[in-house]
Amino acid sequence: KAGVTQTPRYLIKTRGQQVTLSCSPISGHRSVSWYQQTPGQGLQFLFEYFSETQRNKGNFPGRFSGRQFSNSRSEMNVSTLELGDSALYLCASSLLQGASGANVLTFGAGSRLTVL
Amino acid sequence: AQSVAQPEDQVNVAEGNPLTVKCTYSVSGNPYLFWYVQYPNRGLQFLLKYITGDNLVKGSYGFEAEFNKSQTSFHLKKPSALVSDSALYFCAVRDGGNNNAGNMLTFGGGTRLMVKP
Repeated sequence: KAGVTQTPRYLIKTRGQQVTLSCSPISGHRSVSWYQQTPGQGLQFLFEYFSETQRNKGNFPGRFSGRQFSNSRSEMNVSTLELGDSALYLCASSLLQGASGANVLTFGAGSRLTVL
Repeated sequence: AQSVAQPEDQVNVAEGNPLTVKCTYSVSGNPYLFWYVQYPNRGLQFLLKYITGDNLVKGSYGFEAEFNKSQTSFHLKKPSALVSDSALYFCAVRDGGNNNAGNMLTFGGGTRLMVKP
């Protein structure tokens, strides 16, 4: 079956612009999480959506936002881009949202954002 | 707050030798522990997890990890390394005692494993 699909894979923006990244989870997966990966800060949790509701949010400014649609596809948006937003943005999906047993996350290949 | 430490930025090992990638964690509740691997230009791939039970967990591609509660460690091991094991390895923790944690994981900084022929 198809894996987690993220689009676009690569993009370049300039400071002050905004960007929208898309994630299509594995069919049947209802939980979608987003992570930011940078060389300096490593992997940091952004937010998690389940059944179109944001369930958890990491320690990021309000410029970072997201949503989930009824088909479980998710988007994240970063407004007023800063140089420090340059990163690999990873989306991960799982069947359930944090049920006992600790769900395995399936990650997409990521969207690499460069802010100039 | 929970945290994960991977004390080694890089581990070098010769092909055929055993390998260990270290991980220690801090969490207030019961730890749910994970290992993921990342190959160049790819997302993370799940290797194994520990929730409860046997302290030795076996996972994909011949990897295993040993949970040690007293040392708060969850080291990744493999008896015989392959060149194809060369990649970036991440340890992660979730607070199993927090029902509101969802799928929010805290990752370590990653350890680059280099296996030389």
